[in-house]
Amino acid sequence: DAMVIQNPRYQVTQFGKPVTLSCSQTLNHNVMYWYQQKSSQAPKLLFHYYDKDFNNEADTPDNFQSRRPNTSFCFLDIRSPGLGDAAMYLCATSDRDREEDEQFFGPGTRLTVL
Amino acid sequence: SQQGEEDPQALSIQEGENATMNCSYKTSINNLQWYRQNSGRGLVHLILIRSNEREKHSGRLRVTLDTSKKSSSLLITASRAADTASYFCATFNTGGFKTIFGAGTRLFVKA
Repeated sequence: DAMVIQNPRYQVTQFGKPVTLSCSQTLNHNVMYWYQQKSSQAPKLLFHYYDKDFNNEADTPDNFQSRRPNTSFCFLDIRSPGLGDAAMYLCATSDRDREEDEQFFGPGTRLTVL
Repeated sequence: SQQGEEDPQALSIQEGENATMNCSYKTSINNLQWYRQNSGRGLVHLILIRSNEREKHSGRLRVTLDTSKKSSSLLITASRAADTASYFCATFNTGGFKTIFGAGTRLFVKA
């Protein structure tokens, strides 16, 4: 089945220690998104890739970076995690050619910062 | 900034009852979507309604859209315990090609 996969599902890191979260998709969608979601809040868009074009949200901290080496994979790098970065990180994909932006989400990675 | 505002924030009902959740938004949209999220999981797309549509059905789901009031509602009929989840509305505008999620309604269906 076509899907969005996130690894790991749970990630524990130490304050200030770089961490990378990964996302892969078999949908062949041209857009991949990274969202941050804190408890009982809406998902907050950090950035997205449309093909190779990177689009950063204005309020996304510089501490957050992303890489998309190919269509299938996208990575979220947190260079120096702080306690406030503990959250669920959701990856999603969509097909921009459809112009409706129905998004397909992975199961998320829950990040704990000690 | 957050586009969608949902109410209620939480809703508790008995199995078999209907659940209605509302969403209001601020700017013009091309479509409005509803997503479901089970605890600790990713979001699942439920239904999409375009700005030129007023009502849409999918199984036990009924969505309405009133663009003059900038509001939408999601009705789940004959609810089941398995419907317990958070429900998010999300608005999409091709101008910015951006989907913005509301804060969500947490639905509890008691068996």
